[in-house]
Amino acid sequence: ETGVTQSPTHLIKTRGQQVTLRCSSQSGHNTVSWYQQALGQGPQFIFQYYREEENGRGNFPPRFSGLQFPNYSSELNVNALELDDSALYLCASSLTDTSGYTFGSGTRLTVV
Amino acid sequence: RKEVEQDPGPFNVPEGATVAFNCTYSNSASQSFFWYRQDCRKEPKLLMSVYSSGNEDGRFTAQLNRASQYISLLIRDSKLSDSATYLCVSPSGSARQLTFGSGTQLTVLP
Repeated sequence: ETGVTQSPTHLIKTRGQQVTLRCSSQSGHNTVSWYQQALGQGPQFIFQYYREEENGRGNFPPRFSGLQFPNYSSELNVNALELDDSALYLCASSLTDTSGYTFGSGTRLTVV
Repeated sequence: RKEVEQDPGPFNVPEGATVAFNCTYSNSASQSFFWYRQDCRKEPKLLMSVYSSGNEDGRFTAQLNRASQYISLLIRDSKLSDSATYLCVSPSGSARQLTFGSGTQLTVLP
């Protein structure tokens, strides 16, 4: 059973809409990362937060944004949804950068 | 060239077989690596960490060859439950974010 929980588990949105995905990390895990995994591909890094500040970003446009809160929860927001945004979105948290990351079970987003 | 590249697979092996996956990486500064396994429609789960020349955990052995910049994962005595996608991962970048290979699918057949 994972210590990282994500909500919702599944979501269907229409092109152009906005979506907010949520993640609750393990207590004490100051680092949280978000990944996008398209079908048949490995997860792709979106961005990372450390102590509520973004400290790394992958090759994703600004319409992908995030927040991290003091209670170890975080959000991924995507504006102006496109069909290609359909994917599994994974949240991962870590105690240190050498201890490995624990992933949540993901949110499967479908954009129609 | 992708930062992390894996055998394309899929690998279909009989129960009890030994199977090996290879992964190459392009960033020579990378110091540590992970192998994750991912079951169908589930999240990746950490299988092994590789910080030096290698690591062994039961039936699983991971090796790191820095000169050739590749990492391998060996699974001995394959079980049906080993069927999954295996992801080679390198922490990289200023935030040490995880860079994943595209994964290698393994199916262990009865």
